[in-house]
Amino acid sequence: AQSVTQPDIHITVSEGASLELRCNYSYGATPYLFWYVQSPGQGLQLLLKYFSGDTLVQGIKGFEAEFKRSQSSFNLRKPSVHWSDAAEYFCAVGNNDMRFGAGTRLTVKP
Amino acid sequence: SQTIHQWPATLVQPVGSPLSLECTVEGTSNPNLYWYRQAAGRGLQLLFYSVGIGQISSEVPQNLSASRPQDRQFILSSKKLLLSDSGFYLCAWSPAGKKYTEAFFGQGTRLTVV
Repeated sequence: AQSVTQPDIHITVSEGASLELRCNYSYGATPYLFWYVQSPGQGLQLLLKYFSGDTLVQGIKGFEAEFKRSQSSFNLRKPSVHWSDAAEYFCAVGNNDMRFGAGTRLTVKP
Repeated sequence: SQTIHQWPATLVQPVGSPLSLECTVEGTSNPNLYWYRQAAGRGLQLLFYSVGIGQISSEVPQNLSASRPQDRQFILSSKKLLLSDSGFYLCAWSPAGKKYTEAFFGQGTRLTVV
């Protein structure tokens, strides 16, 4: 069965610092992978997605993610974090029955 | 363009009362529809998904049910709410027939069972 693990429940970074959010997946076939962001009390917005091809995927708001099949990972990165990036981030795998990780809450220090 | 509407935004219900949350999608036909529940620290749990009218797949045994009476309408129900049903419920849709696509989410319903 497919599943997603986000090992970090909460991460705090300083504004301007780099960011990496971890995501590991378990999937029986070629995975379809996603990163979503959720602001408090809101729905989810897609940041980026990977289906095939280039393993480094560019998304909105300056985010990128790298698919590493050998490590079953799809980590999200941003070179310089802005205060507005504070939110909850979810990694997801699948297609019709999309599965989400538990989420990582990002706090940005001024 | 496609839009998804979910209501109500917040709901406070007593234990044992019924529940009905509604979700509708506009601007597309025969979408895949989903209900998720979000509890603190547990991510999004897929509750139900539907690939067509009357076709509902249940992921988690519970006292909730889902129905799809019309092509773009998805309803989450309960006959008797439990305290453990409290949470943030999200409806989502994805285009039918497209293998590589993401889900698009509504704004969610915050349900508090008291």
